[in-house]
Amino acid sequence: GNSVTQMEGPVTLSEEAFLTINCTYTATGYPSLFWYVQYPGEGLQLLLKATKADDKGSNKGFEATYRKETTSFHLEKGSVQVSDSAVYFCALSDRTGANSKLTFGKGITLSVRP
Amino acid sequence: EPEVTQTPSHQVTQMGQEVILRCVPISNHLYFYWYRQILGQKVEFLVSFYNNEISEKSEIFDDQFSVERPDGSNFTLKIRSTKLEDSAMYFCASSEYGGTGETQYFGPGTRLLVL
Repeated sequence: GNSVTQMEGPVTLSEEAFLTINCTYTATGYPSLFWYVQYPGEGLQLLLKATKADDKGSNKGFEATYRKETTSFHLEKGSVQVSDSAVYFCALSDRTGANSKLTFGKGITLSVRP
Repeated sequence: EPEVTQTPSHQVTQMGQEVILRCVPISNHLYFYWYRQILGQKVEFLVSFYNNEISEKSEIFDDQFSVERPDGSNFTLKIRSTKLEDSAMYFCASSEYGGTGETQYFGPGTRLLVL
């Protein structure tokens, strides 16, 4: 079946540091890939997505490229801010009947120090 | 900006009791989902729903669970007889279309505690 693996956390960085959060996936078809973010006390929000190989998703300074050859979708940001402190989830979507369902990684907590 | 809402935000119940978790999806969305996250574990798919019927359900979604769209705005998850292991955060989500590239919009979740 499909699965998503994220690097172990938590991650603590100083403000303006470079961020990489690794995500790899296993899928039988041609999934779309997503990063969702959960700020404290809130639900999951879409951060970015990519729907086919070599696509790059980007939003709020975050980027991730859909790498089919390495089955990866690593999240990067050049300079993190305190406001980026949250839980980050990598996910893939595959089609099942009329709907698609998301398969999530375990999530990783990012804390950014001033 | 339209958003998915869920009620209640927290629910405490006794084992064996029935609970109903409520969700109001985004108004023009046609595809609906429930996920759950047990503390410290992954967010897991429970069920998807379209055109007033279940599209897919996971192994978790056994006969104790049911979903319903009782009117044009609400989408509910019922657990008929709760177990301790049903304690989790339950997320409702909706999307406008059902394709793999479609964004699913999540509600803030209901934290269910079964004692």
